[in-house]
Amino acid sequence: GESVGLHLPTLSVQEGDNSIINCAYSNSASDYFIWYKQESGKGPQFIIDIRSNMDKRQGQRVTVLLNKTVKHLSLQIAATQPGDSAVYFCAENPVGGRLYFGRGTQLTVWP
Amino acid sequence: EAGVAQSPRYKIIEKRQSVAFWCNPISGHATLYWYQQILGQGPKLLIQFQNNGVVDDSQLPKDRFSAERLKGVDSTLKIQPAKLEDSAVYLCASSIGQGTYEQYFGPGTRLTVT
Repeated sequence: GESVGLHLPTLSVQEGDNSIINCAYSNSASDYFIWYKQESGKGPQFIIDIRSNMDKRQGQRVTVLLNKTVKHLSLQIAATQPGDSAVYFCAENPVGGRLYFGRGTQLTVWP
Repeated sequence: EAGVAQSPRYKIIEKRQSVAFWCNPISGHATLYWYQQILGQGPKLLIQFQNNGVVDDSQLPKDRFSAERLKGVDSTLKIQPAKLEDSAVYLCASSIGQGTYEQYFGPGTRLTVT
């Protein structure tokens, strides 16, 4: 169901530090998870995805970790930059089902 | 490659009026989605099309919302009559197919109902 949520609504980090954004889900049938970035006035932009048969996936400066035991998803951003400031959403896709989005975390990067 | 196009970008109407939004997906994308995003929340799926057929409209308030995708390309979403709680950003997205394919989002239409 619509059970994807975020632990923190806001996160402030200093430029150059690493950021960790967390997400919890409750639908154990979900087999696909996605992180989106949404800048003000724009639609969500795909960052990285992971399937349930994986624990970790890395992209450019981003890593997604999936812990199916506790139904937890996290997004790690290395060397956070001012351009990373945005709202980050996790979304889950139950098998054959729709995409459910969490409420988002506002990431603010300060110099 | 051109992205998902939406128009208008902004719309202000009074309650009980009608409004329509237009979406042009990425060329070749068979699946089209309409989402509603209320301020401070994540997008919520309203309706999903596969070509010109409806796959999922379980969350669409059918007494006032309607959508169509004639010819399996462009799509329109209509609200009639609008309520105050319909104030939101309406996002259109498209993907190559159903299921676990990346969804590409348009910039959205911000609707304000007064």
